[in-house]
Amino acid sequence: DTAVSQTPKYLVTQMGNDKSIKCEQNLGHDTMYWYKQDSKKFLKIMFSYNNKELIINETVPNRFSPKSPDKAHLNLHINSLELGDSAVYFCASSQDNGGNTEAFFGQGTRLTVV
Amino acid sequence: QKEVEQNSGPLSVPEGAIASLNCTYSDRGSQSFFWYRQYSGKSPELIMSIYSNGDKEDGRFTAQLNKASQYVSLLIRDSQPSDSATYLCAVNTGGYGQNFVFGPGTRLSVLP
Repeated sequence: DTAVSQTPKYLVTQMGNDKSIKCEQNLGHDTMYWYKQDSKKFLKIMFSYNNKELIINETVPNRFSPKSPDKAHLNLHINSLELGDSAVYFCASSQDNGGNTEAFFGQGTRLTVV
Repeated sequence: QKEVEQNSGPLSVPEGAIASLNCTYSDRGSQSFFWYRQYSGKSPELIMSIYSNGDKEDGRFTAQLNKASQYVSLLIRDSQPSDSATYLCAVNTGGYGQNFVFGPGTRLSVLP
């Protein structure tokens, strides 16, 4: 019974294409995140949503657009893909209880842009 | 800018030894602290959380927090080859919506 699930697990696409990654959590958490992990393994936050409201929007190109239809789902749409977008993208979720909470991660989506 | 720093390693220890991993953070308002383990090609998994100064033990793992020094550490006793992974220190700065900031990770190699 997967807690945080994201699809697809692998995504290979050509430069210039538009693609989406989907994420769902069944933990009843209030907050969901998108992280990018580059080839050096550095895990960097991109966005966070709390109850469908955008909270954190780090400096990422505006080709990346998150969408949260409800608090259990947070999707990531990427327009005009570039070679530098190749990375592993992780979705995560946590409960909003004032700070003493941990983040749970999905299995990751390995995006390769060719 | 909120930062979390770790030695990137690799840190190599023989099987059965104690592995010591260190982490410092810049935001004094940080409220909670975590160690995640990430195997190659897998997602990060939580192994320890610590919220107050002092030590917290869970099996072979001990987390230590010193907020005055802005320092967190993880000790792994009786290290096993299966402990070989990248260990990520994470800091939750709290507040509305949370913000987990990760360090660059320390790669640990336990040699049989």
